[in-house]
Amino acid sequence: DVKVTQSSRYLVKRTGEKVFLECVQDMDHENMFWYRQDPGLGLRLIYFSYDVKMKEKGDIPEGYSVSREKKERFSLILESASTNQTSMYLCASRTGDVIETQYFGPGTRLLVL
Amino acid sequence: GQNIDQPTEMTATEGAIVQINCTYQTSGFNGLFWYQQHAGEAPTFLSYNVLDGLEEKGRFSSFLSRSKGYSYLLLKELQMKDSASYLCATTDSNYQLIWGAGTKLIIKP
Repeated sequence: DVKVTQSSRYLVKRTGEKVFLECVQDMDHENMFWYRQDPGLGLRLIYFSYDVKMKEKGDIPEGYSVSREKKERFSLILESASTNQTSMYLCASRTGDVIETQYFGPGTRLLVL
Repeated sequence: GQNIDQPTEMTATEGAIVQINCTYQTSGFNGLFWYQQHAGEAPTFLSYNVLDGLEEKGRFSSFLSRSKGYSYLLLKELQMKDSASYLCATTDSNYQLIWGAGTKLIIKP
């Protein structure tokens, strides 16, 4: 059974704090993705990674960075959290085949005060 | 530009049939996905269409017309557990997914 896990389901941080969101997949997938989901908007891609140490900017990378030191782990970093980064963050993984489905983690609901 | 449109919310009755439409405009096209997302949970894969026509999978079917930039998800014999958001997503020329905002489906007894 495929599994994508995220380090926290709920997180409350203060403006200016550095925030780490971690995602782990056990399917040996090459591709991993970080999205944010806000009401009334579709999933928006923040960053993705094709392989270890590889990263590509998505549609809304500003204010975020990522790290992929191991194949199974993809971390999203908010260098200095701001209130407009309050959102649901979803991690996903996929094989290298672009027509394959993405498997999502349970999401992290982040509140920045 | 790239755009995906789907209705914000729909209501249907238990046991009935509902069709959720999705129209899209993308710079390239490499298939269309439908995902289901229950409140507070992660999206889960329902279907993938890359050729025109209808694909049936149990109570759920998905249709694609590439010339019209149109797809729909058909849900039959609705059950209360089908209450969820249904997300349409298509691939662009870089093979990245472009997501619609989702259609919240409310099932009434």
